[in-house]
Amino acid sequence: DTAVSQTPKYLVTQMGNDKSIKCEQNLGHDTMYWYKQDSKKFLKIMFSYNNKELIINETVPNRFSPKSPDKAHLNLHINSLELGDSAVYFCASSHRAGESGYTFGSGTRLTVV
Amino acid sequence: DAKTTQPPSMDCAEGRAANLPCNHSTISGNEYVYWYRQIHSQGPQYIIHGLKNNETNEMASLIITEDRKSSTLILPHATLRDTAVYYCIVRVDWEGNKLVFGAGTILRVKS
Repeated sequence: DTAVSQTPKYLVTQMGNDKSIKCEQNLGHDTMYWYKQDSKKFLKIMFSYNNKELIINETVPNRFSPKSPDKAHLNLHINSLELGDSAVYFCASSHRAGESGYTFGSGTRLTVV
Repeated sequence: DAKTTQPPSMDCAEGRAANLPCNHSTISGNEYVYWYRQIHSQGPQYIIHGLKNNETNEMASLIITEDRKSSTLILPHATLRDTAVYYCIVRVDWEGNKLVFGAGTILRVKS
């Protein structure tokens, strides 16, 4: 069983389109996260939800909107995609304060053309 | 959270121990030392963490100096599959605190 699963694994789309990435975890964690890894390989946190409540919201364009229907799911919707949005997006989950470590998904490689 | 300093890259021979250093001279008393790694094209993977005492699990050992200003991650018998970027992160465990990744150390295990 995959602990943190993201779909799709690859996403190629044109500028201006709207797309969503889905994430699900079956670990019973109550906190989930979205990270972005750009071409320079730096991992940066974007959002964090705890029990469906937004607790971390980094300086991210408001074209990015996370949605958490329940504590096992955290989806990322991106409007009006731009070339600079091309990156690998990782979903992760943890217990409340992250004290036992985060579990990451395998990533979604988004390419905007 | 305190900042960490790691060497940009290291090489290790297959089968030998890989010792990855990390400096965190400004660490405070309630900050944990965490280690993660990222194998090419995969998501980061939690390895181990500790506060004061040395820790060991099935993946690695973590040695923290008595003054807690530095630590070493030890992979006892490195394999080619251990080639990855290793991140040392210092963090207070509370809700809402971010896990912030630096540049890490690229470990290359060679046959």
